Amino acid sequence: QLQLQESGPGLVKPSETLSLTCTVSGASISSSSYYWGWIRQPPGKGLEWIGSIYYTGSTYYNPSLKSRVIISVDMPNNQFSLELSSATAPDTAVYYCVRIPMGLGIDYWGQGALVTVSS
Amino acid sequence: DIQMTQSPSSLSASVGDRVTITCRASQGISNYLAWFQQKPGKAPKSLIYAATSLQSAVPSKFSGSGSGTDFTLTISSLQPEDFATYYCQQYHSYPYTFGQGTKLEIK
Repeated sequence: QLQLQESGPGLVKPSETLSLTCTVSGASISSSSYYWGWIRQPPGKGLEWIGSIYYTGSTYYNPSLKSRVIISVDMPNNQFSLELSSATAPDTAVYYCVRIPMGLGIDYWGQGALVTVSS
Repeated sequence: DIQMTQSPSSLSASVGDRVTITCRASQGISNYLAWFQQKPGKAPKSLIYAATSLQSAVPSKFSGSGSGTDFTLTISSLQPEDFATYYCQQYHSYPYTFGQGTKLEIK
């Protein structure tokens, strides 16, 4: 059974870097069949695509966030991570990690991690 | 960016009803369209990919149709557990974008 689990600080100070890790169990992150991605949802609002990564390290970032985002993969630990620098209050959201079969959209979601940006 | 517009934004229906939600893309996306269901406080659940294909273990009461710019999600024989918010998403072009959501409520 595939599981994705987000982890990281739930509170980040303004101007600091928001960092989250997604641990994948039940599947190998080095599979050539999947991308791995991050999506966020501000409280009471809709879904926003942040970016995605392939096991080779190839990434795509949403242009609206590109200057502040880094997504990386850690194959030995079967994890991938999100870093969002210069965080501000509008970055407060539930952050989801997802699996993306090539050409087939998203099939699995993590349970989500609420990150609040506040002093 | 490709804009995805869902209608209606909210919908009231009764148990046993059949409902249809529409999603329109601002440009053609072939069949690169997915649908998700989200219940309060929970992660979205993937329902449909490639506009018409059900994800594993999704009941056949959910069906999708469309291609190009116009798509629909139909839910037949509504049950209490189906009342949720539904989102469409295009994965034809980066950045992948979502509709604003349709909240399905019990009448």
